Amino acid sequence: NFMLTQPHSVSESPGKTVTISCTGSSGSIASNYVQWYQQRPGSAPTTVIYEDNQRPSGVPDRFSGSIDSSSNSASLTISGLKTEDEADYYCLSYDNNSRGVFGGGTKLTVL
Amino acid sequence: QVALVESGGGVVQPGRSLRLSCTASGFTFSNYALHWVRQAPGKGLEWVAVISYDGSIKHYADSVKGRFTISRDNSKSTLYLQMNSLRGEDTAMYYCARDQPCRGGSCYHLDYWGQGTLVTVSS
Repeated sequence: NFMLTQPHSVSESPGKTVTISCTGSSGSIASNYVQWYQQRPGSAPTTVIYEDNQRPSGVPDRFSGSIDSSSNSASLTISGLKTEDEADYYCLSYDNNSRGVFGGGTKLTVL
Repeated sequence: QVALVESGGGVVQPGRSLRLSCTASGFTFSNYALHWVRQAPGKGLEWVAVISYDGSIKHYADSVKGRFTISRDNSKSTLYLQMNSLRGEDTAMYYCARDQPCRGGSCYHLDYWGQGTLVTVSS
């Protein structure tokens, strides 16, 4: 079964840049779009990136997404880190049977 | 404004059934596919099921296939999740979410989410 693997946690200082990876287990991650969601404790997820690299209105341009076919990975990069960026981040795509697949989630700590 | 409100959660014994509802407002319900996503306490997000805008196409996660049924009533702007043969591992917050089509069709961009309804399976 198709799976997406994320690091369990990452940490960085305010003002720095952090990148969260999302690696596909099989096939080409570039075949289907990848979305990224931010979830703060006690709240529903919200979209920060859709269609690999598109930002919804209201999401600051400090958030960017990319695909690296050579490593079969998607990445979420957050620059100019702020304490408010501290949250869990999930990637989402789907397999060839149209079943959704979430990555396991990455806890971002801004310290 | 777009709103999705889930209801129907609660405490249920293993092996019993429960039906969740998700009532939508602020958009043309019949134009959008919809998803259920769940999150066990302290765990990550798990995709559960999707239904097309007209209800003709449905897909399920392997973990719920054969036990859960997704459906919709476009006249009532309501999405459902019928959950049968419930197990302890089904204990989770259940979210409904709207699918915003990408260029060329659905790409599982869930653009609006409800606040969730909690299901606890316990004897």
